[in-house]
Amino acid sequence: AQKVTQAQTEISVVEKEDVTLDCVYETRDTTYYLFWYKQPPSGELVFLIRRNSFDEQNEISGRYSWNFQKSTSSFNFTITASQVVDSAVYFCALSEAWNYGGSQGNLIFGKGTKLSVKP
Amino acid sequence: DGGITQSPKYLFRKEGQNVTLSCEQNLNHDAMYWYRQDPGQGLRLIYYSQIVNDFQKGDIAEGYSVSREKKESFPLTVTSAQKNPTAFYLCASSIDQGVSITDTQYFGPGTRLTVL
Repeated sequence: AQKVTQAQTEISVVEKEDVTLDCVYETRDTTYYLFWYKQPPSGELVFLIRRNSFDEQNEISGRYSWNFQKSTSSFNFTITASQVVDSAVYFCALSEAWNYGGSQGNLIFGKGTKLSVKP
Repeated sequence: DGGITQSPKYLFRKEGQNVTLSCEQNLNHDAMYWYRQDPGQGLRLIYYSQIVNDFQKGDIAEGYSVSREKKESFPLTVTSAQKNPTAFYLCASSIDQGVSITDTQYFGPGTRLTVL
């Protein structure tokens, strides 16, 4: 069955520290997609990145970077030089291309990691 | 501006009452979704719709109902049959949920429902 695990419930760092949020997933599908979303205190989920299972290249976007490793079924997210505005709950999600008992295309979310960045 | 709107932002309901949450999008997306979020939990899918006049149950559909009469609108009704309706409800949309394509879902600002 498909599953996403974010083992870190809460992380607290001081501004300018680097922080890595872990995400481990389970799927039987060979074609799948991984996502990260940010949920600030206002509540709206903000899309950050989408990755397909055939593209294991790491991605960097400003202070954000993502490390996708199929061998360990992980899709970790690193924030470099964290800022107070990065404080939010971050969700990792999985979507399978084909139906294995669920519906293809639907997102399976982890429980989220609450990041607090203190000044 | 293109986006997804949800109203109201906060909603209070007495036990035994039905209540309808609004979700509208002007992104011209075909697919729309409703999720429920409880404190400290991830999002769980309630219902989704790939095209107008068609929708499917998600993982926790019991006690909820939806309609999709227009492409841009996907209202969710929380019925009195829902045992524990107090939660944060998020609506999302995506371009299309094709056979082997997963499109990115974009979310609205959410509605916080409290049952008194």
